[in-house]
Amino acid sequence: EPEVTQTPSHQVTQMGQEVILRCVPISNHLYFYWYRQILGQKVEFLVSFYNNEISEKSEIFDDQFSVERPDGSNFTLKIRSTKLEDSAMYFCASSGRRIQETQYFGPGTRLLVL
Amino acid sequence: DQQVKQNSPSLSVQEGRISILNCDYTNSMFDYFLWYKKYPAEGPTFLISISSIKDKNEDGRFTVFLNKSAKHLSLHIVPSQPGDSAVYFCAGYDKVIFGPGTSLSVIP
Repeated sequence: EPEVTQTPSHQVTQMGQEVILRCVPISNHLYFYWYRQILGQKVEFLVSFYNNEISEKSEIFDDQFSVERPDGSNFTLKIRSTKLEDSAMYFCASSGRRIQETQYFGPGTRLLVL
Repeated sequence: DQQVKQNSPSLSVQEGRISILNCDYTNSMFDYFLWYKKYPAEGPTFLISISSIKDKNEDGRFTVFLNKSAKHLSLHIVPSQPGDSAVYFCAGYDKVIFGPGTSLSVIP
């Protein structure tokens, strides 16, 4: 069964450093998403991406964040200058050909900013 | 701004009994609702969904009920199994807005 994969599974970084989180969505999916879950809190939407551009973003997704689909398979989330409060589990998701199709989530990347 | 609420942070149920997980929402624009299950250190896994034009959707042991007038939905799991022990998230679809989750423990 196809699945969404994410790398790395864990990332530790110093405050102020840039991080890139990588995702490989399910191959025939057209919609891509990033979510995050701060420890003990709920899963929060960050951004959705379709047709090589951001279709929607939350207020969390400020200028420090960017997304990219550099090739036909990867979908990346970049945090330019990490802050302590960026420490969270980051989930990538993808869905098929219609915006309302079920989103399938990756296993997540645990980011720890020191 | 809690558009999706799950007021029970945890629930314990005996194996074989029914688990009922509740969810309330405030956003009338949601036209689709989803339940996800999440195990520790894993991403959410889609469980079942319901369109706002329906009031019930069933898939095996899982049934979701939607009461639009009350802005309430519930997930019924029957019979509950120990493997069902996980955190369950209700989500409304405008963009996907998750509730805070209910941790279900099924006791053998």
